[in-house]
Amino acid sequence: EDKVVQSPLSLVVHEGDTVTLNCSYEVTNFRSLLWYKQEKKAPTFLFMLTSSGIEKKSGRLSSILDKKELFSILNITATQTGDSAVYLCAVERQGGSEKLVFGKGTKLTVNP
Amino acid sequence: GAGVSQTPSNKVTEKGKYVELRCDPISGHTALYWYRQSLGQGPEFLIYFQGTGAADDSGLPNDRFFAVRPEGSVSTLKIQRTERGDSAVYLCASKRGLNTEAFFGQGTRLTVV
Repeated sequence: EDKVVQSPLSLVVHEGDTVTLNCSYEVTNFRSLLWYKQEKKAPTFLFMLTSSGIEKKSGRLSSILDKKELFSILNITATQTGDSAVYLCAVERQGGSEKLVFGKGTKLTVNP
Repeated sequence: GAGVSQTPSNKVTEKGKYVELRCDPISGHTALYWYRQSLGQGPEFLIYFQGTGAADDSGLPNDRFFAVRPEGSVSTLKIQRTERGDSAVYLCASKRGLNTEAFFGQGTRLTVV
């Protein structure tokens, strides 16, 4: 059974801090790993990492994928209060429905 | 539309009643997914449509749950004889094609009292 474990489950930091969120996974026939930011209800897409793209960066956010050790990290530098959200990690296997298997998420709170 | 649209945003129903949740995917997206998210958990897969057909319904918890997508665009998730344990946020997502990211709607928060 596919499995995604995120850590920590919650994190409280001050504005300006740098944070690292962790995601480890077990999946048969891995295709990709995705990161989403969830504020209120709708998860919004951040990154997709695959065999051909194991490092992504967008502004203050970056992510890497280690396919050998089966984990990914999401880094956020110079955090802002607007970064407060639940960050979800999900994996997708090749073939079939390409459904996402999610972890429980990391709840990040950035205090002013 | 510009994004995935779900209606209603919130639904409160009495135990035993029937409910329908609607999802309007991004125009041109052929793949559509329903997920369910309980408090403190990540979204869990329910069903996947490719076009009009349910290609994978392995996540539906029991036969009270059913979904349709008759014209390959809008989808409706139907829950019969609702139970308090069905209370959750129901999320819909669509994809343009294989190996692309899924875009999620705002979800419907279902509360069964």
